[in-house]
Amino acid sequence: DAGVTQSPTHLIKTRGQQVTLRCSPKSGHDTVSWYQQALGQGPQFIFQYYEEEERQRGNFPDRFSGHQFPNYSSELNVNALLLGDSALYLCASSWRGGYNEQFFGPGTRLTVL
Amino acid sequence: DQQVKQNSPSLSVQEGRISILNCDYTNSMFDYFLWYKKYPAEGPTFLISISSIKDKNEDGRFTVFLNKSAKHLSLHIVPSQPGDSAVYFCAASGLAAGSYQLTFGKGTKLSVIP
Repeated sequence: DAGVTQSPTHLIKTRGQQVTLRCSPKSGHDTVSWYQQALGQGPQFIFQYYEEEERQRGNFPDRFSGHQFPNYSSELNVNALLLGDSALYLCASSWRGGYNEQFFGPGTRLTVL
Repeated sequence: DQQVKQNSPSLSVQEGRISILNCDYTNSMFDYFLWYKKYPAEGPTFLISISSIKDKNEDGRFTVFLNKSAKHLSLHIVPSQPGDSAVYFCAASGLAAGSYQLTFGKGTKLSVIP
């Protein structure tokens, strides 16, 4: 049973560029949440997708957007990258919108130069 | 404003002894609490959770205690093993309020000394 997978593992971009990160949820899960983890901090909630719609959003600017596909996989897009966007981006999946535990993928390490 | 606080950045415990990790929260809307363990270069791994209708939940060597009046929870690991060395995150959500997002503390790094 495959767990949550994310791609790519690492990514280096320059300021002003755009990036797309991808996530496939754990088998049987239909909900995907995205988190940003800066160095020395706990993960911070970006948004959650359920039934292909953004259901809840954290305190992140509109430069952060996402999408969920019919197979429940998801993308996180970040436009106009800033140095401060450098972080580990974690995807978590759950069943039926999160009335239970969220299971995390290994993350994508984004470095903005 | 940190709604979930883990005030001890690190903790060292001898193998075989009890590890106690603490977490405090400020938001009264939180009603579901989770502990995650994280190794370097991996995503957080779910350990154990507790609903606000309970005050204790056990799973093997791991027990979580919840004191709602004090807005405090703790994770007990007995006995501690070297493989338990990792960063532990406390997280909370407000399911009854329709909030599914997890709010995390900054983590406590546990070192179990053989």
